[in-house]
Amino acid sequence: DAGVTQSPTHLIKTRGQQVTLRCSPKSGHDTVSWYQQALGQGPQFIFQYYEEEERQRGNFPDRFSGHQFPNYSSELNVNALLLGDSALYLCASSLEGSGPTDTQYFGPGTRLTVL
Amino acid sequence: AQSVTQPDIHITVSEGASLELRCNYSYGATPYLFWYVQSPGQGLQLLLKYFSGDTLVQGIKGFEAEFKRSQSSFNLRKPSVHWSDAAEYFCAVGANNDMRFGAGTRLTVKP
Repeated sequence: DAGVTQSPTHLIKTRGQQVTLRCSPKSGHDTVSWYQQALGQGPQFIFQYYEEEERQRGNFPDRFSGHQFPNYSSELNVNALLLGDSALYLCASSLEGSGPTDTQYFGPGTRLTVL
Repeated sequence: AQSVTQPDIHITVSEGASLELRCNYSYGATPYLFWYVQSPGQGLQLLLKYFSGDTLVQGIKGFEAEFKRSQSSFNLRKPSVHWSDAAEYFCAVGANNDMRFGAGTRLTVKP
């Protein structure tokens, strides 16, 4: 049973560029959440997708956007990259309605470096 | 809004010694509490979670945590630490799928 997978593993971009990160949820899961983890910090919630719609959003600017596909996989897009966007981006999947708060399973992350 | 504080940035223990990692939370209603572990270059692995019921929760890898409402705490414990437990540990509080993580505690295990 495949867990949460993310691609690419590492990415280097320059300021002002745009980036797309990809996530495939754990088999059977239908909800995908994205987190940003800066060096030495805990993950911060970016947004969550369910039924191809953004359901919740954390305190991140509109430069951060996403998409969920019919097969439940998801993309995170970041436009006009800033140096401060350098971080580990984590994807987590869960099954809607599986518990009082749906337990999230995390992927290994994508390390984004902005130069 | 919910928040989590992990007072200890870094803890060092000897292999075989007991471990307690502290976590304090702030939340207006019944919290859903989690502990995750992150090894270098890896994603987060769920150790245990608390929703309701018995305040002492057992998790994987021999870890347990105790929920104390009066102290707003959810401390993680292990009676005997193994070298493989060296990692970063994160406490989180969640509701409606909005997870808030603490800044983490880095655990070093001395031989």
